[in-house]
Amino acid sequence: KAGVTQTPRYLIKTRGQQVTLSCSPISGHRSVSWYQQTPGQGLQFLFEYFSETQRNKGNFPGRFSGRQFSNSRSEMNVSTLELGDSALYLCASSLGISQGEQYFGPGTRLTVT
Amino acid sequence: LAKTTQPISMDSYEGQEVNITCSHNNIATNDYITWYQQFPSQGPRFIIQGYKTKVTNEVASLFIPADRKSSTLSLPRVSLSDTAVYYCLVGDIYGGATNKLIFGTGTLLAVQP
Repeated sequence: KAGVTQTPRYLIKTRGQQVTLSCSPISGHRSVSWYQQTPGQGLQFLFEYFSETQRNKGNFPGRFSGRQFSNSRSEMNVSTLELGDSALYLCASSLGISQGEQYFGPGTRLTVT
Repeated sequence: LAKTTQPISMDSYEGQEVNITCSHNNIATNDYITWYQQFPSQGPRFIIQGYKTKVTNEVASLFIPADRKSSTLSLPRVSLSDTAVYYCLVGDIYGGATNKLIFGTGTLLAVQP
């Protein structure tokens, strides 16, 4: 069974631009969560989706948004990029809603210049 | 969600057994203990999960005392490839309320030849 895939793997953007990251969960998984990882703040929860509905949102500004499609694939968007948005963005998928085993993708490394 | 405390770093040599202890004094009755492993620039990977006593799988053992206020991840005969950050998390895996995982700072395990 294929794992969680994230595209693109690497991205360089300029301040003020916007970016869209994509996550394809493991087949059959209906939950997708997003995390931001930086050296200073560690792994921080962004939001989670289940059956196309956002169920929970972390403490990030409104520039960070996401959505989930009917095939469970998810996208996150960051508008008006700031230098501090440079990070590794990870998505995780799971069958349902629980804090049990989740499967993480390889991440998208975003660099904002 | 219960807060966890782990050593920031540990050193070991190849072939040794490594024990990483996590403190979670405020663990709730329904909370389980889960450990993840993360290599640089990759997503975390589930290692093991347990509720009480001892759990063992092909890569690690998890020891949880009766009061459940701490847990110990045991890695037998580590190799250089076990050099990674190890995260201890606690949460209700059957509560169905959220997928949100709260990662602490983790323990950086450095294995030397």
